[in-house]
Amino acid sequence: GAVVSQHPSRVICKSGTSVKIECRSLDFQATTMFWYRQFPKQSLMLMATSNEGSKATYEQGVEKDKFLINHASLTLSTLTVTSAHPEDSSFYICSARSTQGYNSPLHFGNGTRLTVT
Amino acid sequence: GDSVTQMEGPVTLSEEAFLTINCTYTATGYPSLFWYVQYPGEGLQLLLKATKADDKGSNKGFEATYRKETTSFHLEKGSVQVSDSAVYFCALWQTGANNLFFGTGTRLTVIP
Repeated sequence: GAVVSQHPSRVICKSGTSVKIECRSLDFQATTMFWYRQFPKQSLMLMATSNEGSKATYEQGVEKDKFLINHASLTLSTLTVTSAHPEDSSFYICSARSTQGYNSPLHFGNGTRLTVT
Repeated sequence: GDSVTQMEGPVTLSEEAFLTINCTYTATGYPSLFWYVQYPGEGLQLLLKATKADDKGSNKGFEATYRKETTSFHLEKGSVQVSDSAVYFCALWQTGANNLFFGTGTRLTVIP
């Protein structure tokens, strides 16, 4: 089946540094990728939607200058948390879809646990 | 706006017990409803779905029926196994939208 690889699975960084998270579709071309964030005991919240070759669409309240998303190819999207702070510590998860519509399933990565010290 | 309210966990059951995880939703129109499962160390996987009222989604012994009158999509399994231990997410897809709305997730632990 379709596989989405997300890397790294865990990362610890110091406050003020930047962290890049990669999301790759291994055996299909992902025209659309989604980035979610999950706080403890809360829902997965959509942060942004990225389409290959175009700028990401950010959800309300998500700082686009802080969470840089690049979807340069049909198999790779990256999320960079710039100048990370402890409040950015969270679980980030990406998903990918090859075609539009609810009949095209979302394939999820395993998530990245970010801890900012 | 659209939202999903899911039963809080964690839920701990003995093997072969009956499972119910409640999920209710708020949405206009006729959304599609999903249950996703996340096994330890893995990504979310689609477990089952229902696209219209009274539809029943089923997979791996799990079932959920789309009840528009009660705006619910409760997940059930008659006899759980240890291998069912995972986090279960209820989700909603609104026609014309581009993303899923997720519930908070319910952690299920099945003990032998």
